[in-house]
Order: sequence, then C-alpha cells, then structure tokens
Amino acid sequence: DVKVTQSSRYLVKRTGEKVFLECVQDMDHENMFWYRQDPGLGLRLIYFSYDVKMKEKGDIPEGYSVSREKKERFSLILESASTNQTSMYLCASSLVAGGTLGSTDTQYFGPGTRLTVL
Amino acid sequence: AQKITQTQPGMFVQEKEAVTLDCTYDTSDPSYGLFWYKQPSSGEMIFLIYQGSYDQQNATEGRYSLNFQKARKSANLVISASQLGDSAMYFCAAHNNAGNMLTFGGGTRLMVKP
Repeated sequence: DVKVTQSSRYLVKRTGEKVFLECVQDMDHENMFWYRQDPGLGLRLIYFSYDVKMKEKGDIPEGYSVSREKKERFSLILESASTNQTSMYLCASSLVAGGTLGSTDTQYFGPGTRLTVL
Repeated sequence: AQKITQTQPGMFVQEKEAVTLDCTYDTSDPSYGLFWYKQPSSGEMIFLIYQGSYDQQNATEGRYSLNFQKARKSANLVISASQLGDSAMYFCAAHNNAGNMLTFGGGTRLMVKP
C-alpha cells in the first residue's frame, strides 16, 4: 500500500514565523503535490513537483515555496506565516509524471496538517 | 482550465440504501481522468474510484460505481447499500491532459442515518 506521511497533524505558529511542513512517500512516486483545503473552497493546489529539484506553481503559490531534494520528500515552506495561511494542508503523491493517462495517475494523500497561525 | 461542480453541499441517506452524488465537469482536454475521493472526519483523502474519458464501461469498485455520461459531462458516484462508515465528505476531481494536476470540486457531505 502507498503510504504518505506528514510531519505533524496539528501545528500552531505565530505570525511572521518560518514554517516547514514535511511530506514523505514510500512508493518511489515521481509526482508530489501540496494542497490547502478551506471550507467552501475545496482543495487548491499550491505547488507540485515531478522530479527531484523540479517544481511547478499551482493555483495559489503566493506566500509559499517548496523544496524537493530527495525523491521521497517534498517540503512546503511558509517564509513568513500569516493568519490567512491558517488552513488544512494536504500532501499527495502519484506514480506517473504525465504521458498516457490512466489510473496510475491516482494521487494518494497524507493525513493532513492543520496549521493555525496566530 | 477545468472546472468541477458538485451541486449538493450535503445529503442524507438511510443506512442500506443507495445514494448518488452528483458531479459535472467542464474541460477542453481531449482526454482526461475523473476521480472520486472520500474524506472522513480524520481528514485523510481516500481514493475510491477512477474513470478514464475513453473507457467504454463505467468504473466499479466494490460498492462504488461511477455513472459516467460523457455527452452530459457528468461523473456521478453511486454508493450501494450505504453504511454508517460512509458518512464523510466526498470530492470529485479531474486531471488534465498532462496528468499532473488535479482539479477538485467543492465536495458533498454525506450523512448516513441508522
């Protein structure tokens, strides 16, 4: 079974702090993703990565950066946390880096990190 | 750009009955994939079922089936014989032609009554 883990389930930070959210997958997946989930807005893609050291902006990258130094690990960084970044953050991974579409493009999610910025 | 619409913010269903969760999509991609995920109160997104746009038959996975009507651009999830553990948020999603980005609908909260 695919396993995606996230470093924290709950996190409380103060405005202006630098925040690191870590995600690790154990299935040698090429793609990794970071989403945030807010009530009424569904899941919105922040960044994704299709290879080590490669990253692409999603729909809402402002205020975030990412790092992928190893294939299994994808980090989301909030350089200076703000209250409007209080949200649930979900990491996901998928096997295939594009090409022929199929069920292998299924994204598997971690348990989520609920971040509160005070 | 893709857009996924789930028009039912919340639904009740009696235990052991079937329920249909609606999803319509709007895409200009010639090929695409459609997914349904379940999110229980614990927060984790659980993959349920996949339908490719060129698949001839509707996808089925145990008690889950996907009623795919390509001309109507709908991909409704049917859950048969509902169980109490089916109470959760359900999200419809589609990925783009390159297969590397998912677009999610706003979700439907399903509540199963005993």
